[in-house]
Parts: sequence; structure tokens; C-alpha cells
Amino acid sequence: GQNIDQPTEMTATEGAIVQINCTYQTSGFNGLFWYQQHAGEAPTFLSYNVLDGLEEKGRFSSFLSRSKGYSYLLLKELQMKDSASYLCVPLDSNYQLIWGAGTKLIIKP
Amino acid sequence: GAVVSQHPSWVICKSGTSVKIECRSLDFQATTMFWYRQFPKQSLMLMATSNEGSKATYEQGVEKDKFLINHASLTLSTLTVTSAHPEDSSFYICGLKRGEDNSPLHFGNGTRLTVT
Repeated sequence: GQNIDQPTEMTATEGAIVQINCTYQTSGFNGLFWYQQHAGEAPTFLSYNVLDGLEEKGRFSSFLSRSKGYSYLLLKELQMKDSASYLCVPLDSNYQLIWGAGTKLIIKP
Repeated sequence: GAVVSQHPSWVICKSGTSVKIECRSLDFQATTMFWYRQFPKQSLMLMATSNEGSKATYEQGVEKDKFLINHASLTLSTLTVTSAHPEDSSFYICGLKRGEDNSPLHFGNGTRLTVT
């Protein structure tokens, strides 16, 4: 079956760094997306990884290890507006997006 | 800037009535659009794939006669929830890809449907 495992909830402090881990099992693999979803809103695209390694985009970085079925999203210099759910979304062999419940990140001052 | 426009943002309707949700591609001719539903604290669930000029492809368990999809042009897809019931109350979101199959999905702002 297809499965995504992320922590349900994490808490971090404004200005700090947080790493959200994700492990996945899919039928084939064509890359992995990270999305941000604020409460009551639709998800917005953050990053895409298809090759192993780290992709950096401003305060956000995403890492992928295909052999381990593992990815993480690293958020630096946390701001209050970063409080949201973060969704790790792999793409299977049919290019279907596999959605989980994500990680709710709470930022405290 | 925005890629997808979805309307309305929220709607309240009475049980038994129908509601139409519009999804517009603002800067791209989208042959395919995707309709999702999300219940509180749950993951997004793909309902159907909307194909311009042909019938939509529905996911297992989604009633095609209840959730009518029309994709009559390259910039507009509509989802009509027919004979709505309180259990249809949910957050409906449309999305599209602007490129290849591994392109990111860009979403509209979503429609919060409440059926009383």
C-alpha cells in the first residue's frame, strides 16, 4: 500500500529552526512535493525534489533520500506566519499525488 | 500571482438544493483540472479529474450523478453538488498543473460548503 508518515504536530519558537521529517512508501516514485496549508485555506506549493539531496529556497529547504524513502523540510528563522500544516506529498508511478494529514506546526513567540 | 480562481469562497445552502462551484485557470489553458474535498483535520481526497471536452474521471466511491463536473472550456471547470445533504458539508478545492505530470499542483482558494 501507499503510506506517508509525518509527526502530527510540532511546536517551535519564533526565530528558531525546525525540521519536519517524512517517510513514505509508494508504488513507484516520481518525486516529492512539500505544501504549506494555513487553517481554512487551500495548500500552496513550497518545493519539489526528485533527485537525492538538498534543495534550498530562501528560508525553506527540502531534502530527499530516495533509497531511504525519506524527506525533510527545514524552516529557518521561523516567523509567526509559518504556523500552518506542512504536507509531504509523494508522486507515485502514475503521477498520482499521495496526500497525508500533514504536520501541524505551531510557532510560539 | 494567482494561477487559479475559485468561486464562491463560501456558500451556505439548504438540504436538497444544488450548488455550483467554478474553477478558472487565469493564465493557462488547462486541459485537465482536479477536484478535491477536505473534511476537518483530514487529508485532501481527490474526487475527480476534469477533462476538457470529455467526461470527468471519478475516484472510487464518488457518485458521478451527485457531483456533476463540466469542463466546457480550457479555462473553466465547474463542480455542481446536486441534492446537497449536511454530510456534503466540506471544503472543496480545485487545482491544475501548468506543465508536465510532475509539475506542482496549483490550487484555487477553495470553497467552504455548509449544508443546513
